[in-house]
Amino acid sequence: SFELTQPPSVSVSPGQTASITCSGNKLGNTYAAWYQQRPGQSPVVVIYQDTKRPSGIPERFSGSNSGNTATLTISGTQAMDEADYYCQAWDSNTAVFGGGTKLTV
Amino acid sequence: EVQLVESGGGLVQPGGSLRVSCAASGFMFSSYELNWVRQAPGKGLEWVSHIRTDGTTKYYADSVKGRFTISRDNAKNSLYLQMNSLRAEDTAVYYCARGSLAAGGRAFDYWGQGTLVTVSS
Repeated sequence: SFELTQPPSVSVSPGQTASITCSGNKLGNTYAAWYQQRPGQSPVVVIYQDTKRPSGIPERFSGSNSGNTATLTISGTQAMDEADYYCQAWDSNTAVFGGGTKLTV
Repeated sequence: EVQLVESGGGLVQPGGSLRVSCAASGFMFSSYELNWVRQAPGKGLEWVSHIRTDGTTKYYADSVKGRFTISRDNAKNSLYLQMNSLRAEDTAVYYCARGSLAAGGRAFDYWGQGTLVTVSS
């Protein structure tokens, strides 16, 4: 079955760039999305179709997807970006989420 | 304003049944694909089920196939998840999530606040 693998945790200093990876077999052949979930809140999409930002999402959030790896990059990371991040993609008619990455700022 | 409001969660015994609902407002409900996504306490997100706009096409995660049934009532702007033969591992917050039109339904652009289902004796 299709699986997406994320590092359990990533740490970054305020103002620096954080990169969170998501690995899956031939992931680059499908679209990836990324979700931010703060404690006690529902997830929010921050990137869809690999690189697109929904309205209201800061420009410091960007994404890429190629080969077997999708990457979420947060430039100039702020304290408010501390949260869990999940990648997500579809394998045929099944949606799959990565295990999640806790970003510590 | 888009709103998704889940209800119907609660405590149920193993082997029991429960139906959770999601009431939608603020958008043309019948034009959007919808999903259920769950999150066990302290764990990650797990996709559960998907339903197309007219309700005729449905998909399920292997973990719930044959036990859960997704449905929708476009006249009532409501999404449902009927859960049968519940197990302890089904304990989770259940979210309804809207498929994004911009993403061809393949990303989830709005989520409800979730409803907690606890399976325990």
